[in-house]
Amino acid sequence: QKEVEQDPGPLSVPEGAIVSLNCTYSNSAFQYFMWYRQYSRKGPELLMYTYSSGNKEDGRFTAQVDKSSKYISLFIRDSQPSDSATYLCAMSVPNNAGNMLTFGGGTRLMVKP
Amino acid sequence: EPEVTQTPSHQVTQMGQEVILRCVPISNHLYFYWYRQILGQKVEFLVSFYNNEISEKSEIFDDQFSVERPDGSNFTLKIRSTKLEDSAMYFCASSVPRANQPQHFGDGTRLSIL
Repeated sequence: QKEVEQDPGPLSVPEGAIVSLNCTYSNSAFQYFMWYRQYSRKGPELLMYTYSSGNKEDGRFTAQVDKSSKYISLFIRDSQPSDSATYLCAMSVPNNAGNMLTFGGGTRLMVKP
Repeated sequence: EPEVTQTPSHQVTQMGQEVILRCVPISNHLYFYWYRQILGQKVEFLVSFYNNEISEKSEIFDDQFSVERPDGSNFTLKIRSTKLEDSAMYFCASSVPRANQPQHFGDGTRLSIL
């Protein structure tokens, strides 16, 4: 079983739609969860960071973590064409000397005007 | 907003040659990382570096690889005797000097081995 799984997409939605992106994981030691956005030929850009179960909201983005189900989600409200990118989930175990991130494979999102 | 910068953006090297990839982390960050992404595959962790030493490395990071902080601003990844399968995007990341903080990534160096 892969450590972090993510549907590769592509996911195509109309502008203004609510987007739901998801990752599942197998390692219950993961305690820190991140969502990154990656545009073509660019590096991952941090969107959300959370370490507890529940919801965290930042503007149009909401990150949701369910540690009991080993499932995390990113919701994007009022999606825009500029949101078209690949979305990567990443997670890590607690570590006092820098934490290695384990990434999902990414979901490609296309928001059509 | 401060950012991680990487040079060069694209490096073409003959198989067997040595290559050095360079990174300037965000100035108040003290944890540094290298990741790679082979085309069409996941981003994979290579190594983390703190207080002038490697704190963690993956099984990918073998004797062919080394990292160095040669001065107060640069962080480098050296790949010796490059192989075709080393062709990938290499990303540098950094984070603040507190454990378990999110990492900020540069835009990467595309390494092509011929």
